[in-house]
Amino acid sequence: DIQMTQSPSTLSASVGDKVTITCRASQTIFDWLAWYQQKPGKAPKLLIYKASNLESGVSSRFSGSGSETEFTLTISSLQPDDFATYYCQQYNSHSPLTFGGGTKVEIK
Amino acid sequence: EVQLAESGGGLVQPGGSLRLTCTTSGFTFSDYPMGWIRQAPGKGLEWVGFIRNTAWRGTTQYAPSVKGRFTISRDDSKSIMYLQMNSLKAEDTAVYFCGLPPKGSSWYFAYWGPGTLVTVSS
Repeated sequence: DIQMTQSPSTLSASVGDKVTITCRASQTIFDWLAWYQQKPGKAPKLLIYKASNLESGVSSRFSGSGSETEFTLTISSLQPDDFATYYCQQYNSHSPLTFGGGTKVEIK
Repeated sequence: EVQLAESGGGLVQPGGSLRLTCTTSGFTFSDYPMGWIRQAPGKGLEWVGFIRNTAWRGTTQYAPSVKGRFTISRDDSKSIMYLQMNSLKAEDTAVYFCGLPPKGSSWYFAYWGPGTLVTVSS
């Protein structure tokens, strides 16, 4: 199985801050990585696919980068609506598909 | 507009069975693969399994934790996907989401239903 490790697990930040979340894969996944945002009691929402492709309708303050085993999700200027939990997911291998443990972005 | 909606969740005893339904609209269901993802209370996301579209013979793939106990099927005439869950365990307690990947074989989920809660307890 490909293990996905996110860091940090919790992040405290203020509105306007630049925020970076890291996701590391236990083996190369090339650029087969997606990022999701989830708010309490809601389904996840796709933000980024293929490591750096912004999903239609998602704010351009979100960006993704990386390849092989190390990836980042950056929020350029944190907004009140961005306080949520973020997950990465690899889809290089579907035996099994795996998610990172999540990063909760909290208000500082 | 793409819409997904899960139903069929509830309280079931350990060892029991439950069938979840994912009802869809807004896209040509038969053209797309579909998947199930779950989230235990207060925990992260866990992939359960997926089913390919009919062009790929509707073949399925499962997470090791559910393989042999869960079965995914689809009814293209009704635009519905099912998750049959047998031999349920306490650790299967979770919100179950259905997800829609893009066409082809990229297994991320562009659309999600709101989820349905399954509680396995005596």
